[in-house]
Amino acid sequence: GNSVTQMEGPVTLSEEAFLTINCTYTATGYPSLFWYVQYPGEGLQLLLKATKADDKGSNKGFEATYRKETTSFHLEKGSVQVSDSAVYFCALSGDFGNEKLTFGTGTRLTIIP
Amino acid sequence: EADIYQTPRYLVIGTGKKITLECSQTMGHDKMYWYQQDPGMELHLIHYSYGVNSTEKGDLSSESTVSRIRTEHFPLTLESARPSHTSQYLCASRGGQYGNTIYFGEGSWLTVV
Repeated sequence: GNSVTQMEGPVTLSEEAFLTINCTYTATGYPSLFWYVQYPGEGLQLLLKATKADDKGSNKGFEATYRKETTSFHLEKGSVQVSDSAVYFCALSGDFGNEKLTFGTGTRLTIIP
Repeated sequence: EADIYQTPRYLVIGTGKKITLECSQTMGHDKMYWYQQDPGMELHLIHYSYGVNSTEKGDLSSESTVSRIRTEHFPLTLESARPSHTSQYLCASRGGQYGNTIYFGEGSWLTVV
């Protein structure tokens, strides 16, 4: 079945540091890949997505590239802010007939001023 | 902005009570999902539906039940709540096209005492 392996946290960085959160996946066919963010006390919000190999998703300074050869979808940001503190989830959705969303375990990110 | 709503947001109930968590979306999405999020953040799919009168069990066994009588409505019911049901429950929906975003509600925090 489909699975997502995500970098374990928690991760603590200083403001303006470079961020990478690793995510690799196992899936058959051609899954879509997502990063969701969860702020304290809230539900999940889509941060970015990519639906085919070599696609780059980007939003709010975050980027991730769908790498089929390494089955990866690492999240990066060049300069983090305190407001980026949240829990980040990597997820994949299978292709037709298998469209459930499978999540990684989540990475808690804390940015200190 | 996602138009998916969950009620109640927070609920504290006694053991043995019956509860229903409501989830509604106004986007006309055919696919809807319930996830359970444990205190360690991990998300588990407990129920999903691909349309009216279609419901399936998810990857994590749950004593809850769901129904899908209308497209926009996907309630989750616990007939007899127990402390082990204490968790956050997240409802989500998705349009029909492959690769489309799954939108989440803000979650229902359930505490059973």
